[in-house]
Amino acid sequence: QQQVKQSPQSLIVQKGGISIINCAYENTAFDYFPWYQQFPGKGPALLIAIRPDVSEKKEGRFTISFNKSAKQFSLHIMDSQPGDSATYFCAASESNTGKLIFGQGTTLQVKP
Amino acid sequence: EAGVTQSPTHLIKTRGQQVTLRCSPISGHTSVYWYQQALGLGLQFLLWYDEGEERNRGNFPPRFSGRQFPNYSSELNVNALELEDSALYLCASSFSPTGELFFGEGSRLTVL
Repeated sequence: QQQVKQSPQSLIVQKGGISIINCAYENTAFDYFPWYQQFPGKGPALLIAIRPDVSEKKEGRFTISFNKSAKQFSLHIMDSQPGDSATYFCAASESNTGKLIFGQGTTLQVKP
Repeated sequence: EAGVTQSPTHLIKTRGQQVTLRCSPISGHTSVYWYQQALGLGLQFLLWYDEGEERNRGNFPPRFSGRQFPNYSSELNVNALELEDSALYLCASSFSPTGELFFGEGSRLTVL
């Protein structure tokens, strides 16, 4: 019940295309859903995050869509660029636990 | 403003040895988190410290321990190292227990 399932494991997109990564969770007590971007040799960097009181959040080319009833959330990267090539992790946490449960990660390659 | 800093960046130990990893949080952040990122296992929550106290720990054996100092910096200690402890150990900090996590670049531990 603590798991966050992420798909796909890897993704290849052409420059200018839309990258979509999906995550699903079981624990209805989760109330914070961030996405992290990680480049090789670096720590994860927070991209965008959402709480369950909204269904969508957009920051620049990055959008989170959240479906509370389906217990799913997704990251959309519009106009994908080669510089977006990285590993993306979704995560979820429950208040006051200090614990982020991460998905297994998606390796995104954006071809020029 | 300096981000989360970790030391050492790389280290090699042999089985049975002990290791201490260090983390300095972002100035003003009082919560420190430790995660293990092992190949194929994703990011696993290890420990959460806030205001000098251990608030939560993940499913790791007691030989993983740590502490947080009055200046909010933190140490992670791993005793009796095993081969499977080889991983990137990431430290993160947040302004408050419900705030966004900012990760350092990690300490890469290799156990031979």
